[in-house]
Amino acid sequence: KQEVTQIPAALSVPEGENLVLNCSFTDSAIYNLQWFRQDPGKGLTSLLLIQSSQREQTSGRLNASLDKSSGRSTLYIAASQPGDSATYLCAATFGNEKLTFGTGTRLTIIP
Amino acid sequence: KAGVTQTPRYLIKTRGQQVTLSCSPISGHRSVSWYQQTPGQGLQFLFEYFSETQRNKGNFPGRFSGRQFSNSRSEMNVSTLELGDSALYLCASSGAQDRVFSRETQYFGPGTRLLVL
Repeated sequence: KQEVTQIPAALSVPEGENLVLNCSFTDSAIYNLQWFRQDPGKGLTSLLLIQSSQREQTSGRLNASLDKSSGRSTLYIAASQPGDSATYLCAATFGNEKLTFGTGTRLTIIP
Repeated sequence: KAGVTQTPRYLIKTRGQQVTLSCSPISGHRSVSWYQQTPGQGLQFLFEYFSETQRNKGNFPGRFSGRQFSNSRSEMNVSTLELGDSALYLCASSGAQDRVFSRETQYFGPGTRLLVL
C-alpha cells in the first residue's frame, strides 16, 4: 500500500531558527512530491513541487529535497518567522496517479 | 488572475439529505480535483475531472459523485448524507493537459465546510 508519513505531528521552534520538516513514502516509483501549507480553516497553498527527476527545489527561504532511494523528502525553512506557523503537508503522486497526502506537521514559531 | 473559488463556504445539513458543492477553477485550467479532509482520515482524494470527463477516482462510495461543465466549473454531490460526511471539502485546479493531473502544481480553493447533524 502506498503511504506518506510525516513525523513529528507537531513542532515548536523559536523564531529565527532554521528547521527541517520530514516526509517519508513507501513506494520509490514516485512521479513527484509536493509540499503545501495550510492555515487554520483554510485551503492549501502550494509551496514547492519536485519532479521525480529532480533532487531539490528552492523558493525564497524554502528548500525541498527528494531522495527516491530512501523514500524521503525534506522541507528546509531558513530563518523561521512567526508567519511560518501553519500545518505543512507533503503529497506524493504514485503510479495510480492520485495525490496521496501525509497527515501533516503542525509548525509553531515562537516569537 | 483569480484563484480557485468554492461555494458555499459553510453548510449544515441533516442525515439523509443531499448536498451539492461548487468549484470554479483558475481561468484556463481544465483539470479539477476534489478532496475530503477530516481530522481522522486527513486529506483523501475523491475524483478528478478534465474536459467534462472523470479521469480518476478515489475509494469513496457511490454516494459521492461529481461532474464538470464545459466552462470547467465542477460540482460534487453527496447523496444520503451520513454523520461521517462532515468534513472540509477542497477543490483544486491545475493546468495539467496530459492524463496525469497530479504531476502539475495543484492550486486549492478555500474549501466548503460541511456539517451533518
